[in-house]
Amino acid sequence: GAVVSQHPSRVICKSGTSVKIECRSLDFQATTMFWYRQFPKQSLMLMATSNEGSKATYEQGVEKDKFLINHASLTLSTLTVTSAHPEDSSFYICSASIASDREYYGYTFGSGTRLTVV
Amino acid sequence: AQSVAQPEDQVNVAEGNPLTVKCTYSVSGNPYLFWYVQYPNRGLQFLLKYITGDNLVKGSYGFEAEFNKSQTSFHLKKPSALVSDSALYFCAVRPTGGFQKLVFGTGTRLLVSP
Repeated sequence: GAVVSQHPSRVICKSGTSVKIECRSLDFQATTMFWYRQFPKQSLMLMATSNEGSKATYEQGVEKDKFLINHASLTLSTLTVTSAHPEDSSFYICSASIASDREYYGYTFGSGTRLTVV
Repeated sequence: AQSVAQPEDQVNVAEGNPLTVKCTYSVSGNPYLFWYVQYPNRGLQFLLKYITGDNLVKGSYGFEAEFNKSQTSFHLKKPSALVSDSALYFCAVRPTGGFQKLVFGTGTRLLVSP
C-alpha cells in the first residue's frame, strides 16, 4: 500500500532556530500533500495544502512566513518551522493525497513529528 | 462548510463487548467519509472509508461503519472489542470533487478494559 515516510519522528531545538520536517511518499506520486498540527488531546488542525510545483495554500491564521512549505517533487514535501519558539512545540503530521485514479480518494498519513522547542 | 461531530470524548467498553464510536457529519453534496485510528505519538492509520455503494463498510482490524444518509451519521462499530483497540479514533469528511482537504472530528478516545 501507499506509504508516507516522515522524518524526524522527534526533534528538540533551541528557541530561535529553524527545523525542517520531511515527508516522502515511498511508492506513489503525491500530487497534493497536507500538513497538520495536533495539540495534546485535540484534533488535527490543517495548516496548509501543498501542490507539487506551486505555492502552498495556507489556512486562515497560519503564518506562511513562519511555516514554510516546499513541495518540489511528487515524492517530497517539507515543512520548515522558522525561528521556532516554545509555543510552536506540537505534533506535526503530513498527509499525502494519492494521485492514481484507483486511489483517487485515498489519504495516507506520515507517522508524525514531535517538535519540542526549548 | 463541511463539519464533523464526534459527540463522545471517550468511550469505555469491556473486552469482548461490542463497541460503537459515533460520528455525524454535515457536508454539501455527497460525502466521502473516513475513519482513522491514532496510537500515542503516531500518525493516523486508515481504518475504512465510504465513497459510494453499500452503506455498510468493512475495514481493517474487524471494524465496520454504517453510512446513514437520513441521519447524516457514520458510526464506527466492532462486534467484539480488544484491549489493543484502545486508541484515539477520528472521523473525517470531505466533499466530492478534486483533491480536497479532510475535515476531522475532535476525536474519541476508546478505552477497552480487560
